[in-house]
Amino acid sequence: NAGVTQTPKFQVLKTGQSMTLQCAQDMNHEYMSWYRQDPGMGLRLIHYSVGAGITDQGEVPNGYNVSRSTTEDFPLRLLSAAPSQTSVYFCASIGGRTEAFFGQGTRLTVV
Amino acid sequence: QQPVQSPQAVILREGEDAVINCSSSKALYSVHWYRQKHGEAPVFLMILLKGGEQKGHDKISASFNEKKQQSSLYLTASQLSYSGTYFCGTENDYKLSFGAGTTVTVRA
Repeated sequence: NAGVTQTPKFQVLKTGQSMTLQCAQDMNHEYMSWYRQDPGMGLRLIHYSVGAGITDQGEVPNGYNVSRSTTEDFPLRLLSAAPSQTSVYFCASIGGRTEAFFGQGTRLTVV
Repeated sequence: QQPVQSPQAVILREGEDAVINCSSSKALYSVHWYRQKHGEAPVFLMILLKGGEQKGHDKISASFNEKKQQSSLYLTASQLSYSGTYFCGTENDYKLSFGAGTTVTVRA
């Protein structure tokens, strides 16, 4: 049982480039979400999904896109990277409104 | 909207106690508590589902006042391993939002 697998661990992008952060879970959880973590601001919710085909915006959705075509996968797309998107990103998976399992995180730097 | 956590930071000596507070402006289904060590992902401590419920994890316990939409985390007889950043998470309509975190430093 791998839990939540998040890739890549590190990424450097140039301003204006696009990329996709991958997140996959093997626990058959309905609820998945993406957070960004910046110093002093905690974990801020970007987008979340309550099941395949259903997504919704969190607190800081601008500049990010998500889709949920399967229960297992919830990729996060940066459409046109900006330096303000430099952050650590975490994917989380929750089953039955219980504890959240986090991926290992992606440290993204936009130059 | 993110829940509000206080204090932002606390420094303890081994064996001392501390309380971390979390409040929300919205009605809550549940409150979660997590601890994060530097460079790692947050790790689940406990979840509280009912008003007035208290749960415990080793010498770490928490309470949830559903009516006031507040929760508190109690660190009792702190150990060096308790150092880290603690986050409360509030869940409403399947939306799990986290506070800004409380950094706890336990010194020998």
